Amino acid sequence: SQTIHQWPATLVQPVGSPLSLECTVEGTSNPNLYWYRQAAGRGLQLLFYSIGIDQISSEVPQNLSASRPQDRQFILSSKKLLLSDSGFYLCAWSDTGVRETLYFGPGTRLLVL
Amino acid sequence: GIQVEQSPPDLILQEGANSTLRCNFSDSVNNLQWFHQNPWGQLINLFYIPSGTKQNGRLSATTVATERYSLLYISSSQTTDSGVYFCAVGARGSQGNLIFGKGTKLSVKP
Repeated sequence: SQTIHQWPATLVQPVGSPLSLECTVEGTSNPNLYWYRQAAGRGLQLLFYSIGIDQISSEVPQNLSASRPQDRQFILSSKKLLLSDSGFYLCAWSDTGVRETLYFGPGTRLLVL
Repeated sequence: GIQVEQSPPDLILQEGANSTLRCNFSDSVNNLQWFHQNPWGQLINLFYIPSGTKQNGRLSATTVATERYSLLYISSSQTTDSGVYFCAVGARGSQGNLIFGKGTKLSVKP
């Protein structure tokens, strides 16, 4: 069966510090991978999606970036965090193909102070 | 882009009651999913239902694509059903990218 991991679970960082959040998927190959952010008020916003290694699309302009160095690894980064980057970051995967059911990881809670 | 509206935004139920959550969307979709987010933040996929009706235990969902809405039914609610229910849709050619509604926050009281 497929499993998706995210770490760390919780992170407190000062403004201006760098960020690296990691997501890995097990039990599938060539998945579509996604980063979502959920701010207070509970809406989910798509940040990045990837259909393959080094194939990443950004949905919103921001100071975040994403990379996919391996087939089942997706990394969210920032060189300098802003207060507005605080939130709940969720990684998700789906199979490629017609039925693209989305499966979410446990998430990382980021607080920027 | 597609707009997704969910109603009601908040719902309080007594354990054992039934409820209906609604999702309206503004354009044609070929992907519609319902999710439950528990109080610890975990998002669980409930249904993949771009059209038709599906049932899974006490939960069922119906999507009427031609009228651009979907309904999630919860019967005999339990306290563990509490959390936020999201509807998410994807347009044709969106490669699985989903647009989420703002959710319905459900609280089931014992």
